[in-house]
Amino acid sequence: DGGITQSPKYLFRKEGQNVTLSCEQNLNHDAMYWYRQDPGQGLRLIYYSQIVNDFQKGDIAEGYSVSREKKESFPLTVTSAQKNPTAFYLCASRGQPQETQYFGPGTRLLVL
Amino acid sequence: AQKVTQAQTEISVVEKEDVTLDCVYETRDTTYYLFWYKQPPSGELVFLIRRNSFDEQNEISGRYSWNFQKSTSSFNFTITASQVVDSAVYFCALSVYYRDDKIIFGKGTRLHILP
Repeated sequence: DGGITQSPKYLFRKEGQNVTLSCEQNLNHDAMYWYRQDPGQGLRLIYYSQIVNDFQKGDIAEGYSVSREKKESFPLTVTSAQKNPTAFYLCASRGQPQETQYFGPGTRLLVL
Repeated sequence: AQKVTQAQTEISVVEKEDVTLDCVYETRDTTYYLFWYKQPPSGELVFLIRRNSFDEQNEISGRYSWNFQKSTSSFNFTITASQVVDSAVYFCALSVYYRDDKIIFGKGTRLHILP
């Protein structure tokens, strides 16, 4: 089946720890995105990548890092510099410019 | 700057009632896209519709319909004969794709359909 997968579904982070959220798509989409959603809030863009080996900061990139070594994969690392990481993280992808973004099932990150 | 406002934070209606979710957007651009997404309790965002700024035709898909009015910068979403399965958070969004590769989301409207 074609789609976007995110893992894990739930992730727990200890103080001072870096954690990595996985996002994979088999839709052959060029662009991929990471969003953060806090309770009662809309989605805020963290990072996006329009092509392999290139990515741009979104509106709230501080404390996060990404890589895009393969077209199918866009992992997000939440670093220890992110002081309030508890949130729901959504990954999305789109094909050609102007096309719709489609979303994965999300990862819920909690701090221990 | 672009902005999307969903003034209704939360709505509750009894099953089978019709309900309209409001969306007002701001942009100085003449070419843009508008979207509606549904977020059920599972969390995944489900795409519902995309509308080009040059196409003001209203759209109907089953019990769902959308009213796009450029004169009032609104893109409202109506669910007819609501069902419990329609309970979700609904997001309206705006994209000016030729300016940057971003979608601006409203804060969402949480819809409760009561049995």
